[in-house]
Amino acid sequence: AQKVTQAQTEISVVEKEDVTLDCVYETRDTTYYLFWYKQPPSGELVFLIRRNSFDEQNEISGRYSWNFQKSTSSFNFTITASQVVDSAVYFCALRRGSTLGRLYFGRGTQLTVWP
Amino acid sequence: DVKVTQSSRYLVKRTGEKVFLECVQDMDHENMFWYRQDPGLGLRLIYFSYDVKMKEKGDIPEGYSVSREKKERFSLILESASTNQTSMYLCASSHASRGARPEAFFGQGTRLTVV
Repeated sequence: AQKVTQAQTEISVVEKEDVTLDCVYETRDTTYYLFWYKQPPSGELVFLIRRNSFDEQNEISGRYSWNFQKSTSSFNFTITASQVVDSAVYFCALRRGSTLGRLYFGRGTQLTVWP
Repeated sequence: DVKVTQSSRYLVKRTGEKVFLECVQDMDHENMFWYRQDPGLGLRLIYFSYDVKMKEKGDIPEGYSVSREKKERFSLILESASTNQTSMYLCASSHASRGARPEAFFGQGTRLTVV
């Protein structure tokens, strides 16, 4: 069975602090995909990043960075120098390598950045 | 840009009514999904479809049905709305094949209230 766990339900930080959102996943598949989505108050889930199971290279995109470690089944997301606009619910998700493509979501982490 | 459009942002319906939620995507995606989102429960998959006229039950299909007569359109039907179906409903779509981008794209969500 597939499972995604986001242990942090809520995180509050003050602007300009760095913050890391944790994601741990379970799957027996050898091919799979991991994703992070952002859900601002408007409600739409916005795709942020994808990682393939065979590509453990970490990535930095502006203030965002992602740390994928197969050894610990983790795919953590760090925001550097957080801003008020980063306030949102962040979801980690897993997709199996098959074509059916359903996503398995964690329960989300509510991030609040205070000015 | 990928566009997934849900027919309504907000809906208020009476108990016992038949309710249709419509979703249209413009990226020729094979897969389409309906999720509901409730506080503390995250996103739960109701139904998904991997081809026209094909459907699969998700984790919480009871009380719902779906229709996919055309590739771009996926409808969620509440046969007899009940108050426990008050929720945020999110539609998503994605490619099926491994060679294409595997991430799902979401509509803006429909907040349904059943009174």
